[in-house]
Amino acid sequence: TQLLEQSPQFLSIQEGENLTVYCNSSSVFSSLQWYRQEPGEGPVLLVTVVTGGEVKKLKRLTFQFGDARKDSSLHITAAQPGDTGLYLCAGQFRFGNEKLTFGTGTRLTIIP
Amino acid sequence: DARVTQTPRHKVTEMGQEVTMRCQPILGHNTVFWYRQTMMQGLELLAYFRNRAPLDDSGMPKDRFSAEMPDATLATLKIQPSEPRDSAVYFCASGLPTGQVQGPPTEAFFGQGTRLTVV
Repeated sequence: TQLLEQSPQFLSIQEGENLTVYCNSSSVFSSLQWYRQEPGEGPVLLVTVVTGGEVKKLKRLTFQFGDARKDSSLHITAAQPGDTGLYLCAGQFRFGNEKLTFGTGTRLTIIP
Repeated sequence: DARVTQTPRHKVTEMGQEVTMRCQPILGHNTVFWYRQTMMQGLELLAYFRNRAPLDDSGMPKDRFSAEMPDATLATLKIQPSEPRDSAVYFCASGLPTGQVQGPPTEAFFGQGTRLTVV
């Protein structure tokens, strides 16, 4: 059973455009993480959000944790080819628990 | 540039054979994770260790999988006997907890993975 659904599954846009990807669940999480994975590599942690409604920015990337801590979004402004990759969200059900539930992933392609 | 090292990068084996995957965590990291990634199931935690002791291996099929840390610089994941459904990319990751007992998960640094194909 996949508890974290990400949408869209695939996204291909032109360089310079903005985009938002979503991570949704019916479960409440203590924290949620976003990763980016490039071909042939392991995932790399981008951000951890903990508080409902929290917004974090990482250069052109903006992450938001839903008020009810059941969902999250990642917004990229002025996308660049270097943003290409598989974006994964991962939820932690309980603080102190190292077990993460990973989402289905959004495969993003930025066309130069 | 500290990174997690996994060997081999690729492995093709016949059904029924034993497979051993190795991982060298980042020096100083005391937490080691084993993950499996497939197209169908995505990324799943198999097991993790802290200070070389297994803390959770509930994600691992016990009958054929085993994970150990012979010392602080080596983690192994063994499959015996291997089956075609074990075909996947296996990732090792390591991290160092912040010390906050009730908090977000340890930041995990992933290796490049071992791509296993069982035919």
